[in-house]
Amino acid sequence: DTGVSQDPRHKITKRGQNVTFRCDPISEHNRLYWYRQTLGQGPEFLTYFQNEAQLEKSRLLSDRFSAERPKGSFSTLEIQRTEQGDSAMYLCASSLVGLDYGYTFGSGTRLTVV
Amino acid sequence: AQTVTQSQPEMSVQEAETVTLSCTYDTSENNYYLFWYKQPPSRQMILVIRQEAYKQQNATENRFSVNFQKAAKSFSLKISDSQLGDTAMYFCAYSYDKIIFGKGTRLHILP
Repeated sequence: DTGVSQDPRHKITKRGQNVTFRCDPISEHNRLYWYRQTLGQGPEFLTYFQNEAQLEKSRLLSDRFSAERPKGSFSTLEIQRTEQGDSAMYLCASSLVGLDYGYTFGSGTRLTVV
Repeated sequence: AQTVTQSQPEMSVQEAETVTLSCTYDTSENNYYLFWYKQPPSRQMILVIRQEAYKQQNATENRFSVNFQKAAKSFSLKISDSQLGDTAMYFCAYSYDKIIFGKGTRLHILP
């Protein structure tokens, strides 16, 4: 197991385009989280899944954002009609519920909207 | 709502010195976890140390230790014998069902 993987590492897109990011968690982890981090700030919670169920969505997450975890394994985060304000690092993390040893984070996807 | 506050945006210390990073949090929960994460420049988040709220004993990991004051809702990180590789952003974080992060402290270790 190589940890949490995120793809792509970098994405440059034009304003108004749709983008999709993928996260592959640690295989035995049943929880998966998405965070957004802007330069010099702490990560902000977006949403999380337990298995395939999306348990919580932040009020920060506008209707343009959608996340799925269809089989309780990998997850995708889609942003529709991107805006310049969406430019950020999108972090994925996974954990095992009931054993809160701290979440394992991926390296992130850096999104730049031009 | 749970919040995490780090009052020191930036700190600098000489190599080999001891430095303490401050953190306070707010919660109405009784059982939760607290963490310090390290994020080197352009690198991923790394767990430094964790503390379970129901444990009174302060956590220690090699040169890293915490001062956990549950009643005061305070959770500071002490780095002893600081090294150049400790230069990074440090985030204090609280977890009940999800992790909530503070805004971070940028720590510079000077040679």
